[in-house]
Amino acid sequence: SQTIHQWPATLVQPVGSPLSLECTVEGTSNPNLYWYRQAAGRGLQLLFYSVGIGQISSEVPQNLSASRPQDRQFILSSKKLLLSDSGFYLCAWSDAGTSGSDEQFFGPGTRLTVL
Amino acid sequence: GQQVMQIPQYQHVQEGEDFTTYCNSSTTLSNIQWYKQRPGGHPVFLIQLVKSGEVKKQKRLTFQFGEAKKNSSLHITATQTTDVGTYFCAAHTGGFKTIFGAGTRLFVKA
Repeated sequence: SQTIHQWPATLVQPVGSPLSLECTVEGTSNPNLYWYRQAAGRGLQLLFYSVGIGQISSEVPQNLSASRPQDRQFILSSKKLLLSDSGFYLCAWSDAGTSGSDEQFFGPGTRLTVL
Repeated sequence: GQQVMQIPQYQHVQEGEDFTTYCNSSTTLSNIQWYKQRPGGHPVFLIQLVKSGEVKKQKRLTFQFGEAKKNSSLHITATQTTDVGTYFCAAHTGGFKTIFGAGTRLFVKA
C-alpha cells in the first residue's frame, strides 16, 4: 500500500533562517507531487507541483523553492524565512493518470512557526 | 486565475440538524472532489464526481455535481459530533493542477 511521509512534524525557526522540509512517498511510481500551505483556519494554497524528476511548476511567487531529486522525494526549501511563511505545510501525491481518479493523498503536514 | 468559491465559510449546527456546503466555479470543471479535514489533521479524500448531474451517497453524506459541471454540493443528514471539521471541494479543469475551495468549517453542538 502507498504511504506518504513528511518531516519534521513541527518546526520553529527564526526570521532569516533557512528551511528544508522533506516529503517521501512509498508504494507507487512516478506520482504527481504537490506542496500546499495552509494558514490557520484557512484553505489550501498550492505552492508547487511536479509531474516528474526535476520538473517543478510554481504557482505563487515567493521566497520558497521546491526540488524533486528522486521520483518519490519532494523537498520544499527557503534560503531566508519570513514571518509570513508561518503555516501548515502539506505534501500530497496523486496517481499520474492510470487510475482515472484525481484523488490526492496528503501527508501529516509540518507546522512551521517563524518568529 | 481559476477560482472555486465555497460557501458558507463556517456553520454551527445542533447535533441532528442537516448541513450543506456549496461549491461554485465560473468555468466548466472536468471533475470535482470533496475532502474532509479534522481539526489538527490533514485533508482526507471523500469522493470524486465526474459526470454531469451525478449524485453519490456515502451513508449520511450526499454529493451532487451540477448539470453544467460548474457547481457541486455536499449535504450531511442528521449531523453527528464526528462530522466536525472543514470540508473542502477541489476542482480539476484539466491537467495536473487541483484548485481547492476555501473550505466550510462545520461545528456541531451536542
